[in-house]
Amino acid sequence: AQSVTQLDSQVPVFEEAPVELRCNYSSSVSVYLFWYVQYPNQGLQLLLKYLSGSTLVKGINGFEAEFNKSQTSFHLRKPSVHISDTAEYFCAVSDPDDYKLSFGAGTTVTVRA
Amino acid sequence: EAGVTQFPSHSVIEKGQTVTLRCDPISGHDNLYWYRRVMGKEIKFLLHFVKESKQDESGMPNNRFLAERTGGTYSTLKVQPAELEDSGVYFCASSQGTVFQGANVLTFGAGSRLTVL
Repeated sequence: AQSVTQLDSQVPVFEEAPVELRCNYSSSVSVYLFWYVQYPNQGLQLLLKYLSGSTLVKGINGFEAEFNKSQTSFHLRKPSVHISDTAEYFCAVSDPDDYKLSFGAGTTVTVRA
Repeated sequence: EAGVTQFPSHSVIEKGQTVTLRCDPISGHDNLYWYRRVMGKEIKFLLHFVKESKQDESGMPNNRFLAERTGGTYSTLKVQPAELEDSGVYFCASSQGTVFQGANVLTFGAGSRLTVL
């Protein structure tokens, strides 16, 4: 089974500043990668996913992530955050032949005015 | 389209008591999954239903946990008897196909928070 490491548990950031959330996974021949977000009192919502193709993936709400196979990383970025981006973000990975998701421990992003 | 619905949203019980969590998946979704997040750690897979059949229950922690999906619609997860370490957030998710099939996504509910005292 895959393991996922989210390197930062808490990320405070000022409004309109950029943010990067780091995610590394254990190596495998090929993987599928996901970022989910959980806003307060809501379910996990898919931000973006990488299955194949371009290593730069664009998601909802202005987020993007880059798959780096050599670094086994899938970092999430947003060039300018809003207060409404305050949430917990989860990186997840699955093997292509295994539907189960392995999640990281989550990164809480707090955006301040 | 209604999303994945879970209830109760929060349950507080004493150690040794029984709790039943319910999940209503998106209509037409044959695949239903249970995940759990304990004490701010990783969200971990518990089990997977395809319609009413258990496809994979390798993540179920022990025999105090019983999941059912009678009729292939909603699912229940019963914990009996509950222990302190069962406290956490239980997420349910559903999908039309398996998660890695192209446009299919895994849609999660808001979770049921269980507190065992």
